[in-house]
Amino acid sequence: EAGVTQSPTHLIKTRGQQATLRCSPISGHTSVYWYQQALGLGLQFLLWYDEGEERNRGNFPPRFSGRQFPNYSSELNVNALELEDSALYLCASTQRGVEPYNEQFFGPGTRLTVL
Amino acid sequence: QKEVEQDPGPLSVPEGAIVSLNCTYSNSAFQYFMWYRQYSRKGPELLMYTYSSGNKEDGRFTAQVDKSSKYISLFIRDSQPSDSATYLCAMSPQTGANNLFFGTGTRLTVIP
Repeated sequence: EAGVTQSPTHLIKTRGQQATLRCSPISGHTSVYWYQQALGLGLQFLLWYDEGEERNRGNFPPRFSGRQFPNYSSELNVNALELEDSALYLCASTQRGVEPYNEQFFGPGTRLTVL
Repeated sequence: QKEVEQDPGPLSVPEGAIVSLNCTYSNSAFQYFMWYRQYSRKGPELLMYTYSSGNKEDGRFTAQVDKSSKYISLFIRDSQPSDSATYLCAMSPQTGANNLFFGTGTRLTVIP
């Protein structure tokens, strides 16, 4: 079974540009989470999508946005890039209804560098 | 104050040593506690999870949760060079689809 995939692996942008990151969840998983892993800060929750809807977002400015497509893949958009947006962006997927705990399966991440 | 605190290390131990990794947290609503392992250039993978207080053992790994102290631990017995990775604690207030709150991670190196 294929795991969570993310593209691109690396992305280099300059300040003020926009970045688009993509994620394909494990087949059968309907929930997708986005996390930012900046150096020394651990994983910070960005966004949660389920069944095409945004269910929750973390403490990030509105220039971080995304969507989930009918096939449950997801896209994260970061507008007006700032230097501090440089980080590893991780996508995770999970299958709702698997109790008692829905394990989040992570992709390898997209390394975004803002120059 | 961050909701989850974890000593970033780095931690270096000889092969065969017992490793102790710890996290503290401030949110008493957390009910589910997890340990993830992250190898270099890879995404985190779930190592263990526990619900509420207590111990859980899986092979060489033991997870402990003390909710009264808001303190969780991961012990690795007979550590191996293949255990060299970053270990992240994570927690959640409830089951079901819900975002996780992570510690910063502890980088562990096991020296042969």
